[in-house]
Amino acid sequence: NAGVMQNPRHLVRRRGQEARLRCSPMKGHSHVYWYRQLPEEGLKFMVYLQKENIIDESGMPKERFSAEFPKEGPSILRIQQVVRGDSAAYFCASSMGLAGSTDTQYFGPGTRLTVL
Amino acid sequence: DAKTTQPPSMDCAEGRAANLPCNHSTISGNEYVYWYRQIHSQGPQYIIHGLKNNETNEMASLIITEDRKSSTLILPHATLRDTAVYYCIVRGINDYKLSFGAGTTVTVRA
Repeated sequence: NAGVMQNPRHLVRRRGQEARLRCSPMKGHSHVYWYRQLPEEGLKFMVYLQKENIIDESGMPKERFSAEFPKEGPSILRIQQVVRGDSAAYFCASSMGLAGSTDTQYFGPGTRLTVL
Repeated sequence: DAKTTQPPSMDCAEGRAANLPCNHSTISGNEYVYWYRQIHSQGPQYIIHGLKNNETNEMASLIITEDRKSSTLILPHATLRDTAVYYCIVRGINDYKLSFGAGTTVTVRA
């Protein structure tokens, strides 16, 4: 009865490197959401994906950030050329994709990205 | 444009009930009240949600006033492990962007 899985749990990158964050949704869930929590701030929506489709990426920074949810495998949040301001906790949530408000999102443990 | 108002913090004695209030005076008829909590350094944990009827599960009870302008999350027997930030979120049908405000920092004391 595994929940949402994220890896790595902690990631350290130097400025200019790439960061790849992975999220495996709960069994039976086909919808994935990414949120970012900057230090001392609340969670902010970044992107909503279904298998092979980006539904809403309105919360994603326009440059350097991208997300995908391939037909096979986990969802990936990719940050290119990281800067210190990207240091944050990145949380993934998944849901079944039911219509209506009963489509509860369940969160993973997060990936803590530190940019040196 | 916050949809909910919560007290910034509250203390609770271990073993006692914790009653967490939330005001959502502008809630519309098809919007649900959701509660999540975030224990330090962990991902948000879903607790409970409701539309207009009171709800109970193994974690908590949710009491929604008849006019739906406010609600109370009740943790019946608080333990030290319930120390967390609790978020009350109003969410419309098909809303997928959860809006996390500042929440209420609940500290359970022995």
